[in-house]
Amino acid sequence: QSVLTQPPSASGTPGQRVTISCSGSSSNIGSYTVNWYQHVPGTAPKLLFYSNDQRPSGVPDRFSGSKSGTSASLAISGLQSEDEADYYCATWDDSLNGQVFGGGTKLTVL
Amino acid sequence: QVQLVQSGAEVKKPGASVKVSCKASGYTFTSYQINWVRQAPGQGFEWMGRINPSGASTTYAQKFRDRVTMTRDASTSTVYMELDSLTSDDTAVYYCARDIPNYYGSNWFDPWGQGTLVTVSS
Repeated sequence: QSVLTQPPSASGTPGQRVTISCSGSSSNIGSYTVNWYQHVPGTAPKLLFYSNDQRPSGVPDRFSGSKSGTSASLAISGLQSEDEADYYCATWDDSLNGQVFGGGTKLTVL
Repeated sequence: QVQLVQSGAEVKKPGASVKVSCKASGYTFTSYQINWVRQAPGQGFEWMGRINPSGASTTYAQKFRDRVTMTRDASTSTVYMELDSLTSDDTAVYYCARDIPNYYGSNWFDPWGQGTLVTVSS
């Protein structure tokens, strides 16, 4: 059971907009910024967003991140087949004194 | 470019130990902490801890505190993660990841190593 809660799956057709949620508590998301990672199984995970909504260079602006209270969201617009991957939210947790991750959301492009 | 290259896959018997290496290049080794994260089959990511290559101080997740040791060799820009008393539950892909400090929030990890599959089986 992950500390941060994500839906296990999400899907959309090419061109659609998809949103992935990440829910936490006051000891993690409520107190710290959120980061997102994209993981294609068999490859190295890739940083997608840091500090809630900051995109590293190379990440398309079709991707956006946000945070409000104890929840965060990742949105992907203009969905493309190459976006098919697992997406994870992550942050620090004061109670556990460690980094915590969501359980991951498998995005399928139909 | 910044790169983390990990050692190859391992197969271990229950009760044994495994030591995975992570060689850094493309940046000043002692300037960034290195985290270890694992992913069991069909599961999400699990943070194990981190090491500061400058001085070798460590922070371990409570779950692994009794079984994990993280060390570094500054002469080769390599960090190591050793996990003892292996069980089948430790079968996972183990990743190292560079820690980017964030004084206003949570640190983030960038880049990650390619992963090392550790299989524990009798």
